Amino acid sequence: KAGVTQTPRYLIKTRGQQVTLSCSPISGHRSVSWYQQTPGQGLQFLFEYFSETQRNKGNFPGRFSGRQFSNSRSEMNVSTLELGDSALYLCASSDQGVGNTEAFFGQGTRLTVV
Amino acid sequence: AQSVTQLGSHVSVSEGALVLLRCNYSSSVPPYLFWYVQYPNQGLQLLLKYTTGATLVKGINGFEAEFKKSETSFHLTKPSAHMSDAAEYFCAVSDSNDYKLSFGAGTTVTVRA
Repeated sequence: KAGVTQTPRYLIKTRGQQVTLSCSPISGHRSVSWYQQTPGQGLQFLFEYFSETQRNKGNFPGRFSGRQFSNSRSEMNVSTLELGDSALYLCASSDQGVGNTEAFFGQGTRLTVV
Repeated sequence: AQSVTQLGSHVSVSEGALVLLRCNYSSSVPPYLFWYVQYPNQGLQLLLKYTTGATLVKGINGFEAEFKKSETSFHLTKPSAHMSDAAEYFCAVSDSNDYKLSFGAGTTVTVRA
């Protein structure tokens, strides 16, 4: 079956703009979580959604938001972009949520803010 | 809250030599433990996981890890390194209640011919 699909793969934005990233989970998976990966901070948890409900949120400013649709696809939005938001954004899908069920990661969206 | 410490940000091994990557965790509840591998410009691929049961866990590509509760460790090993093992490896911890993975800082493995 198809894996986790993230679009776009690469994105260049200007400071102050906003951006929306998309994640399509594996068919049948209802949990989608998002992570930010940077050389300085490593992999940091952004938020997790299950059946359209946010169950957990990491320590990121309110400029970072997300949502999940009824088909389990998820989007994350970053408003008023800052240079420090440049990162690889990874999406992970799982059946019930990470823990005792495996999380499958997409290839990520590489966001560059200039 | 859970956290993970990976000892050594870079490990260099000769082809055919033992690969040992160290991971220690902190968790207030029984943890779920994972090792992921990341190749350049790729996402994360699960190597193996520990949830409950047998403490020696076998994963893909010849990797295995042992959960040692008394040492709060989950070290990853592979008896014989291959050139294709060159990548970055992440240890992660989770529990059943917060639906997130907490990752270590990662260890980059280089394999010398």
